Amino acid sequence: GENVEQHPSTLSVQEGDSAVIKCTYSDSASNYFPWYKQELGKGPQLIIDIRSNVGEKKDQRIAVTLNKTAKHFSLHITETQPEDSAVYFCAASSHLGDKIIFGKGTRLHILP
Amino acid sequence: DARVTQTPRDKVTEMGQEVTMRCQPILGHNTVFWYRQTMMQGLELLAYFRNRAPLDDSGMPKDRFSAEMPDATLATLKIQPSEPRDSAVYFCASAVGGEQYFGPGTRLTVT
Repeated sequence: GENVEQHPSTLSVQEGDSAVIKCTYSDSASNYFPWYKQELGKGPQLIIDIRSNVGEKKDQRIAVTLNKTAKHFSLHITETQPEDSAVYFCAASSHLGDKIIFGKGTRLHILP
Repeated sequence: DARVTQTPRDKVTEMGQEVTMRCQPILGHNTVFWYRQTMMQGLELLAYFRNRAPLDDSGMPKDRFSAEMPDATLATLKIQPSEPRDSAVYFCASAVGGEQYFGPGTRLTVT
C-alpha cells in the first residue's frame, strides 16, 4: 500500500522567512496530493492540493511542487507569519475522493 | 457555513465500557471517513463509507470497533469494550468527489 514520508518533523523559522516541508510517496499510482494544516484543538484543514498533471501550484504565500518521477512533493510558505504556526500534513491518494494516506506531520514554529 | 459536526467533543470512560462517537457529515457529501490521531501513530484511517456503504475498514480493529451509517446524516463509530490504548482523538471527515472536510474531533480518554 501507499506510504508517505514527511520531513522535517519539527521546523522553526524566523517570522518573514520561508519554510519548506518535503514529502515522498511510494505508490506510483498516486495522483492527488493535498496538504492540511492543523491548529491546536482543531481538525485538519485543507490548505492546498495538487494533481499529478500539474508540476506546481501557488495560492498567495503558499506553493506546492510535485516531481512525479522522483515521487517527491513539497510545500513552500513564503513571508511566514505567526498564524502560520501549526502542524502541517502532506498526503497522497490514487483517486480524488478516495482514501488518502497522511504523512506524520511537521510542527512549524514561527519565531518572533 | 457547512461543517462536519462530531459528538461528544470529549469523552472519559473506564476500561471495558462501550463508547459511541457520532458524526454528522456536510449535507450532500456522500463519502465519510473515520480517522484516529495519536502522537505515536499520527493520523490513521480506520474506515470509510460511500453512499452509506462501507468501502474499507481494514484500519479498524475488528474485534472491538464497529462503524456504521444508519442514514446519510449520521455516521457512528463504536468501541466495545474500550481499552486504555484506544485513547486518542477520533476525527470524522466528509467529502463529495473531492476534498475532505474534517470535524473538530472527539478526544477519548480510557482509564
